[in-house]
Amino acid sequence: GAVVSQHPSWVICKSGTSVKIECRSLDFQATTMFWYRQFPKQSLMLMATSNEGSKATYEQGVEKDKFLINHASLTLSTLTVTSAHPEDSSFYICSARDFGTGLREQYFGPGTRLTVT
Amino acid sequence: GDSVTQMEGPVTLSEEAFLTINCTYTATGYPSLFWYVQYPGEGLQLLLKATKADDKGSNKGFEATYRKETTSFHLEKGSVQVSDSAVYFCALSDLSGNQFYFGTGTSLTVIP
Repeated sequence: GAVVSQHPSWVICKSGTSVKIECRSLDFQATTMFWYRQFPKQSLMLMATSNEGSKATYEQGVEKDKFLINHASLTLSTLTVTSAHPEDSSFYICSARDFGTGLREQYFGPGTRLTVT
Repeated sequence: GDSVTQMEGPVTLSEEAFLTINCTYTATGYPSLFWYVQYPGEGLQLLLKATKADDKGSNKGFEATYRKETTSFHLEKGSVQVSDSAVYFCALSDLSGNQFYFGTGTSLTVIP
């Protein structure tokens, strides 16, 4: 149980275009999902907390107009990188909590590697 | 604020060697502690966890004990294998469970 999927697993796009990444909780409902960014050989950086039915909460320094987050259902959150540039190339990882268990544990997706050319 | 300090890498060991990766934390209250493993090109996989003091998490031969007196959660394995080569992240979850704090990661390479 507690599986989180991401789609796509990798994507290449041209500079100036937008890319949408999906994060799904497959076997539980996730009222809260989290989006992280990981640069090569570095740790994970929390970008934003996504709450179902409400606006996302962004960490300091993360441009909310550039990284659009939508959490329209209890099993799906999306991250859209708008007008992507090469510096947005990174590994994006989402996670979700299963509040039904009461555990303070996040389940991580497999990540999406974005390359902007 | 809460934070995790993890041993710097990279670490290179011969197969069957003993592994220790140090992790200490700073937190208010009683956080949950985790070790995650990331294989090349993949996401994070939960390796083990502990939710209260003196708990020992274990999985696949790896162990870590939640030591509140030393605020530590060191990862150990008695005999590493080539397949253990990966990056290991220590992490803590705050009281709310909505904030995860990750260490910087330790790259482990096991050579035959």
